[in-house]
Amino acid sequence: DGGITQSPKYLFRKEGQNVTLSCEQNLNHDAMYWYRQDPGQGLRLIYYSQIVNDFQKGDIAEGYSVSREKKESFPLTVTSAQKNPTAFYLCASSIRFGQGAGGAYNEQFFGPGTRLTVL
Amino acid sequence: EDQVTQSPEALRLQEGESSSLNCSYTVSGLRGLFWYRQDPGKGPEFLFTLYSAGEEKEKERLKATLTKKESFLHITAPKPEDSATYLCAARMDSNYQLIWGAGTKLIIKP
Repeated sequence: DGGITQSPKYLFRKEGQNVTLSCEQNLNHDAMYWYRQDPGQGLRLIYYSQIVNDFQKGDIAEGYSVSREKKESFPLTVTSAQKNPTAFYLCASSIRFGQGAGGAYNEQFFGPGTRLTVL
Repeated sequence: EDQVTQSPEALRLQEGESSSLNCSYTVSGLRGLFWYRQDPGKGPEFLFTLYSAGEEKEKERLKATLTKKESFLHITAPKPEDSATYLCAARMDSNYQLIWGAGTKLIIKP
């Protein structure tokens, strides 16, 4: 079955620690995204990547880092510089902007999420 | 400022009681209005994309409509399994990014 997987489902971080969230997709999508979801707020974009070895900052990139070495994988590292990391993290993928029948309107498909808690 | 606002924040209905959720947007050059369903502790599930004013799409008990200022998600004769948070998002003319609303939490009581 095609889809997006995220691991772990739950993650606990101690103060001053870096942690890495995994995101893998087998949908053959070029574009991948990381969002943060907090209660009562809309999803906020952290980073996105339209192609391998290239990525751009979203609205709230400070304290986060990413890599895109493979088309299927887009891991997110939450660094110790992120002062309030407790949140639900969502990874998504889509056909690259401008490709396919949907063109500029391509839908994003989401993984199951990782809940990160700071101890 | 580009913005998406959903209302109400929460809606409680009896099973079978039809209603509508609202998503109003102020974005320049709309290039797609997206609806998603999200169950607690899970990732959003794609429902619909609307491209232009006047367009409608249906799926089971859900129908999404779009005007130049807002979108509605109509739910007809809902069942308890329709309980979820419904999210909408808008894509602007020249930007890869989606602008997300905060969601409407829908609770259907049996």
